Amino acid sequence: ETGVTQTPRHLVMGMTNKKSLKCEQHLGHNAMYWYKQSAKKPLELMFVYSLEERVENNSVPSRFSPECPNSSHLFLHLHTLQPEDSALYLCASSHYGTGNSPLHFGNGTRLTVT
Amino acid sequence: AQTVTQSQPEMSVQEAETVTLSCTYDTSESDYYLFWYKQPPSRQMILVIRQEAYKQQNATENRFSVNFQKAAKSFSLKISDSQLGDAAMYFCAYRGVGTNAGKSTFGDGTTLTVKP
Repeated sequence: ETGVTQTPRHLVMGMTNKKSLKCEQHLGHNAMYWYKQSAKKPLELMFVYSLEERVENNSVPSRFSPECPNSSHLFLHLHTLQPEDSALYLCASSHYGTGNSPLHFGNGTRLTVT
Repeated sequence: AQTVTQSQPEMSVQEAETVTLSCTYDTSESDYYLFWYKQPPSRQMILVIRQEAYKQQNATENRFSVNFQKAAKSFSLKISDSQLGDAAMYFCAYRGVGTNAGKSTFGDGTTLTVKP
């Protein structure tokens, strides 16, 4: 399998649940990203990992907890979310530090918090 | 901080016609990269075209081309011979170099409708 794969595609969770989003890339990239895409809002960068180290955390609430065990896998652990966290969560990868390296995105996880 | 503005929330074009999507950006850097991404209803965002700021020649990829005006900080996307499959949301994105290369700034997007 090639490219960037995200699971699950859809997720419905209650505010007290704990769930995790998974992302896997097979492109040999050294950086992975989490973006949040909400209706009527621009893409919001949440986290950036380069060589498994978090290099950017854009003031994301602690109820979102990223994990990058290796350069091919990225997780987003979710707990005690709020309804306003409902959105499309996109994972992407690229070559970090190379400005002309485009982002390669997964299909996203549509998250609904009830 | 860099900002990217797409002033057209929605655009429509007749099949086989040409459409231009606008994008302006603000930066104090002299070297950077600009991208157009396409997000169809299937949700996966894919790269359409990229432009390196130090190159004066406008990038072209088949039916897609850009009009890059560095002094005006403008980066428009032209789609020629529009096809039904071009219907999608299009995002303009800015990416710096060096220590700023890890972060891309996106515009709000333009939804393109292609009429048969």
